[in-house]
Amino acid sequence: RKEVEQDPGPFNVPEGATVAFNCTYSNSASQSFFWYRQDCRKEPKLLMSVYSSGNEDGRFTAQLNRASQYISLLIRDSKLSDSATYLCVVNLTPNSGYSTLTFGKGTMLLVSP
Amino acid sequence: ETGVTQTPRHLVMGMTNKKSLKCEQHLGHNAMYWYKQSAKKPLELMFVYSLEERVENNSVPSRFSPECPNSSHLFLHLHTLQPEDSALYLCASSQDITRGYETQYFGPGTRLLVL
Repeated sequence: RKEVEQDPGPFNVPEGATVAFNCTYSNSASQSFFWYRQDCRKEPKLLMSVYSSGNEDGRFTAQLNRASQYISLLIRDSKLSDSATYLCVVNLTPNSGYSTLTFGKGTMLLVSP
Repeated sequence: ETGVTQTPRHLVMGMTNKKSLKCEQHLGHNAMYWYKQSAKKPLELMFVYSLEERVENNSVPSRFSPECPNSSHLFLHLHTLQPEDSALYLCASSQDITRGYETQYFGPGTRLLVL
């Protein structure tokens, strides 16, 4: 089983649509969770952290379900500028004492006029 | 944004060449990372440095040799690479490596093509 699994897409949606991405992770000891955004031929950038209680940042809402090892990202009122690849990222701090990020392959979103 | 810079941005090299990738972070962070991003694959962690000490070598072939002379600079020395090493090489930094909620900040990457 892949450590962090995402639907690669692409998700093609019109402007103004609501779109949701899902992600599952295999290591139940994972401690923190993030969504990163990567534009074409650019570096990944942190979009938002994901908390157990769920969190919202403007049009973006992230949810975490530890029991199901499942993370989601909801984007409301999609903009053309939301077109990018969204990376699900999981942080694990093993017994070695230092944390590492494990990335999913990403889900591509294409927002059209 | 110039928090993490990388040079060169693009590199074409033959299999017998030796080249180096450079990363510099201006964020006062203590940890730096090298990642490899190949097409259709997730980012793969290669090396982790904390306060100039290597703490992780993620089974990377010896033709990749990292160097961290100080906490602001990170190099990746390349020699006798293979065509399958063609990829985007990303440098990142974070404040620390021991706290699970650290944000990593990425440089723009070096796009490498090995002929």
